[in-house]
Order: sequence, then C-alpha cells, then structure tokens
Amino acid sequence: DAGVIQSPRHEVTEMGQEVTLRCKPISGHNSLFWYRQTMMRGLELLIYFNNNVPIDDSGMPEDRFSAKMPNASFSTLKIQPSEPRDSAVYFCASLPSVHEQFFGPGTRLTVL
Amino acid sequence: SQQGEEDPQALSIQEGENATMNCSYKTSINNLQWYRQNSGRGLVHLILIRSNEREKHSGRLRVTLDTSKKSSSLLITASRAADTASYFCATERSSNTGKLIFGQGTTLQVKP
Repeated sequence: DAGVIQSPRHEVTEMGQEVTLRCKPISGHNSLFWYRQTMMRGLELLIYFNNNVPIDDSGMPEDRFSAKMPNASFSTLKIQPSEPRDSAVYFCASLPSVHEQFFGPGTRLTVL
Repeated sequence: SQQGEEDPQALSIQEGENATMNCSYKTSINNLQWYRQNSGRGLVHLILIRSNEREKHSGRLRVTLDTSKKSSSLLITASRAADTASYFCATERSSNTGKLIFGQGTTLQVKP
C-alpha cells in the first residue's frame, strides 16, 4: 500500500485565490482527519470524517474553509478565499478500526 | 486548544545517551500516543499506552503513564543520530472516535 497520499505537496498562491488540497486515505481505513501545522499553533485538528460523514468540524477556523469526502477513497479541503495567515502545512491522516493514525506527507501551502 | 504539553521544548544529546521527554494533559483520557515527525515529513506513530496501563516498551522506547498526575514520559535509550526528530504526545479522550489532541512537541537533536 502506498500509504496516505496528498496532493499537491507544495502550493503557492496569491491572497484571494481558491485553494484545494486533496487526500487519498489508505484503503479500508474508516476515518479521515485533516490537520494544520504551524510554528505558532502547533498541530491543530480541523475536521474529521467517519465512514465519509463529517463528525466534528469544530476546528475549522472559519467559513472560508470547507471539507468534503464524497467517497471512501478521496477527500478535499478547500480554502476560498485564501489569506496569508492560512500559510501552513496541511496533513491528512487516516485511521483503521484501531487507534493508530497514519499521516500523509503533507501539503505546504504558502499564500502570498 | 492543545491538550498535551511537552517538555522540554528542545533537547540536545550525544549519540548513545538516553533521551527523556515529558507530556502533561488536562482531562481524562482513553489512551495516550506518541508520534515522531522527521523534518518535512508526516507524523509516524510510535507507541500507544492505554489509561489502565502504567508502562509499555517497544524496542528502545519506554513509555510511562501516570493518570493521577495526568502525565506521561517517553524514554529513548541508547539514542542514535537517526532519532533526531520532533516527538509529539497525543491524547484520545473518548474511545472509538480516533480523535486525537496533540501537544506542541519536543524537538530532539542527537549529535553523532
């Protein structure tokens, strides 16, 4: 198995543009998590899905952020419009039925 | 908000020495996990200790958990240069959700 796949690995965009981050979880994993990591705030949970259903989105910073999981093998995190303070590394992680989370390599987002 | 707080924030040791990192948390937990993050990479699960366990070993790793003090420690024995990374504790409060709250991490440098 290739592990959790995220794309793109790096994204540089200008303020106001829409950004879409993509994640393919490990096949058979039931849950998917989106995190954001910055030096100032550390690793923050944004939202997580269980069996494709959003369970807890209390970490989503504001309405500019949205996430979807249309099927068990794909999820997106969208920021519209993007702002410089959204610059961070965004991680996706998937979880089988037990407790260990498997992280993707992350997407480094820079908003100019 | 971050559940776990690690200390020290940074640790620098010589190869062969032991490294100890501590984690404190605030609420009752189902389990506590430790993850490692190499620079520019995603997090990798190291070990999980349940709330009814006091100590657990995995190779050169030893984890302790004191629920009365709401604290945990991670000991890496006979450290190697390849252990250089950031180490995070994460707590799962409710069983069967998989939702983790991460601490700020300890950055470990092992000098050859």
